[in-house]
Amino acid sequence: AQTVTQSQPEMSVQEAETVTLSCTYDTSESDYYLFWYKQPPSRQMILVIRQEAYKQQNATENRFSVNFQKAAKSFSLKISDSQLGDAAMYFCAYRGGYNNNDMRFGAGTRLTVKP
Amino acid sequence: EADIYQTPRYLVIGTGKKITLECSQTMGHDKMYWYQQDPGMELHLIHYSYGVNSTEKGDLSSESTVSRIRTEHFPLTLESARPSHTSQYLCASNSDGLGETQYFGPGTRLLVL
Repeated sequence: AQTVTQSQPEMSVQEAETVTLSCTYDTSESDYYLFWYKQPPSRQMILVIRQEAYKQQNATENRFSVNFQKAAKSFSLKISDSQLGDAAMYFCAYRGGYNNNDMRFGAGTRLTVKP
Repeated sequence: EADIYQTPRYLVIGTGKKITLECSQTMGHDKMYWYQQDPGMELHLIHYSYGVNSTEKGDLSSESTVSRIRTEHFPLTLESARPSHTSQYLCASNSDGLGETQYFGPGTRLLVL
């Protein structure tokens, strides 16, 4: 079974600085999809960014970008120019390309943004 | 924001009561999911559905049950609530297809006394 590991339970960043959240995964599939979700305190879980494994180009969404290393099975999230509103739990998730009913989540990283 | 709704948002109830947590989505998604999440912790899949009249248990064993009579509606029921059921319950859905993004509801925070 696929597993997703987030090795940083907590991270902290100064406002306007850059922070990178780590995620590794284990799979035997060659085709799959990776996601980063954000869950602010007491608020809805929302998608931050999505990456298709067959695409070599790293996905970007404004201040959010990923470093996707397929061979290393690594999928880190970089947040540039951090804002107070970025404070949240961030979950890395994996979805197989063949058994697409199964989304696997990591344990999450709590990001604190210091003013 | 995604069009997926959960009610109630907060529920405090005594041990032994029967409760139903509602989840509805207006996106026409065939696939729906229930996750259990302790605050600030990881998500555990407890139930999912591929479509009407289809329900499956997830990775985490749960005493709850679900039904899927209509595409847009996926309620979760606890026949007899216990303090160990205290948690947050998240409903999610996505359309059919490869690598589809899952959309989440706002969650129901349940406290069983």
